Amino acid sequence: GDSVTQMEGPVTLSEEAFLTINCTYTATGYPSLFWYVQYPGEGLQLLLKATKADDKGSNKGFEATYRKETTSFHLEKGSVQVSDSAVYFCALYSGSARQLTFGSGTQLTVLP
Amino acid sequence: NAGVTQTPKFQVLKTGQSMTLQCAQDMNHEYMSWYRQDPGMGLRLIHYSVGAGITDQGEVPNGYNVSRSTTEDFPLRLLSAAPSQTSVYFCASFPAGRQGGEKLFFGSGTQLSVL
Repeated sequence: GDSVTQMEGPVTLSEEAFLTINCTYTATGYPSLFWYVQYPGEGLQLLLKATKADDKGSNKGFEATYRKETTSFHLEKGSVQVSDSAVYFCALYSGSARQLTFGSGTQLTVLP
Repeated sequence: NAGVTQTPKFQVLKTGQSMTLQCAQDMNHEYMSWYRQDPGMGLRLIHYSVGAGITDQGEVPNGYNVSRSTTEDFPLRLLSAAPSQTSVYFCASFPAGRQGGEKLFFGSGTQLSVL
């Protein structure tokens, strides 16, 4: 079945540091890939997406590239802010399964 | 614009009690799902529905029951609560189609404690 493996956390960075959160997946066919963010006390919100190989999703300074050859979708940001502190989830959507499969989540804390 | 509405926000149960978590959406989405979120385990799918009258099991269905009598509502029933069901529960909905995942809407969650 489909699965998503996400970098273990928690991750603690200083403000303006570079962020990478690794995500790899296993799926049949050609899934769409997503990063969701969960701020404290809230539900998940879509951060960015990519629907086919070599697509780059971007939003709020975050980027991720759909790499089919390495089955990866790593999240990056060049300069994190305190307001980026949240839990980040990698996920895939497979049309055949008709559901999203989530990774375990990575807690990011950014210190001033 | 209500989106996905979940009630209650918090609930404490005793072992063996039953209860229903409510979920309603006003976007006419075909697909609705229930997830539970546990530390270090991400979101795990409990049950899902691809339309009124159609439900199916997810990854962790035991101890839970669902029905989908209307497009709008997708209640989750705990038949006999156990401490292992202490978790945060999220309801989600999205439209059918290959790109449905990008239009996923989550409710604000229900924090459930079973003593």
